[in-house]
Amino acid sequence: EAGVVQSPRYKIIEKKQPVAFWCNPISGHNTLYWYLQNLGQGPELLIRYENEEAVDDSQLPKDRFSAERLKGVDSTLKIQPAELGDSAVYLCASSLGSGRANTGELFFGEGSRLTVL
Amino acid sequence: GENVEQHPSTLSVQEGDSAVIKCTYSDSASNYFPWYKQELGKRPQLIIDIRSNVGEKKDQRIAVTLNKTAKHFSLHITETQPEDSAVYFCAAVRSGSARQLTFGSGTQLTVLP
Repeated sequence: EAGVVQSPRYKIIEKKQPVAFWCNPISGHNTLYWYLQNLGQGPELLIRYENEEAVDDSQLPKDRFSAERLKGVDSTLKIQPAELGDSAVYLCASSLGSGRANTGELFFGEGSRLTVL
Repeated sequence: GENVEQHPSTLSVQEGDSAVIKCTYSDSASNYFPWYKQELGKRPQLIIDIRSNVGEKKDQRIAVTLNKTAKHFSLHITETQPEDSAVYFCAAVRSGSARQLTFGSGTQLTVLP
């Protein structure tokens, strides 16, 4: 079974440019997460989806970040415009179940490493 | 919300020795405590987890203990090997709730040959 798939693995852009990351969760996993991981730190949640609904986006900087999961499967995370401080690894994760049925066990993708110059 | 603190931030041990990483959490309602291992440039991977209805869980060389009263839990790795070198993250959440998993800041474990 394929794990969580993310692309691109690496992206280098100049500040003020847009960038988008794509995630395909494990088949059947209702809940999808986007995390931000800075070097030497633990993952920090940006947004969590249950099926196609964003149920927790309180940590997402909405002035420049957006995300969507239109059909409740794949998801994209966009940054426009990117700033120097956005350089980080963007991790996607998924888990089985949603709401009270969410087991809590996360399966992570390999991440998308963003460098903003 | 939940706050998870993890210590130490770095840990070096000789091959064959044991390693212990400790975490504390703030939300007494948290009931699921996973540990993730992240090798350099790789994805975090679940290595062991514990739920609040048990005090200890073991899987070969790794074990996790939970003290609900004190709100702390620990990861124990015995007979360490060089391939155990990685960053380890603890986390806590109340599963089945609307809350998200909160991660500790990580421990860089280095096993010296």
